[in-house]
Amino acid sequence: DGGITQSPKYLFRKEGQNVTLSCEQNLNHDAMYWYRQDPGQGLRLIYYSQIVNDFQKGDIAEGYSVSREKKESFPLTVTSAQKNPTAFYLCASSTTSGASYEQYFGPGTRLTVT
Amino acid sequence: QKEVEQNSGPLSVPEGAIASLNCTYSDRGSQSFFWYRQYSGKSPELIMFIYSNGDKEDGRFTAQLNKASQYVSLLIRDSQPSDSATYLCAVKYSSGGYQKVTFGIGTKLQVIP
Repeated sequence: DGGITQSPKYLFRKEGQNVTLSCEQNLNHDAMYWYRQDPGQGLRLIYYSQIVNDFQKGDIAEGYSVSREKKESFPLTVTSAQKNPTAFYLCASSTTSGASYEQYFGPGTRLTVT
Repeated sequence: QKEVEQNSGPLSVPEGAIASLNCTYSDRGSQSFFWYRQYSGKSPELIMFIYSNGDKEDGRFTAQLNKASQYVSLLIRDSQPSDSATYLCAVKYSSGGYQKVTFGIGTKLQVIP
């Protein structure tokens, strides 16, 4: 089965701790993305990567870090510098050829920081 | 910042009716347009994409694009209670050699049995 997996589904952390969210895809997509979704708000782009060993900041990158060492994997670290880390985190991937670049999403990780 | 505007709703339609969801975007250079369905607590699921002016049909869904008016819509025919969800409009554009997508806040659709 081809798809995108994110783990864990739910994550609870204490304030001041760093936490890493996993994202893996076996769709052979070059591009991967991290979004954050808060209640009543649209998806906001955190980081994206269109090729291995290269990534770019999105609109709300402060307090987050990523790596792209393998095509299949794009982990996101939420650091203690992120002021409001509690949110629903979504990973997506897409091709970089063709006209559309449609993105496909993983099931998401719901992070709660107290 | 590229903008994508949607009415948050809720939009209520009776079962069997046509639901019409609308979206406007700010960047005239936008290239591709997407509709996602998101059930409560779940991740977005791609329904359709369109990149040429006009209509694109897929089953009960029709996407309509008017680039001159910077407007894209999604029609759902014969609406079913299972169509009740939030529908996200997304727009792709180029920025600094990268392809990026901006999402609207989504329109909540309620199909009343």
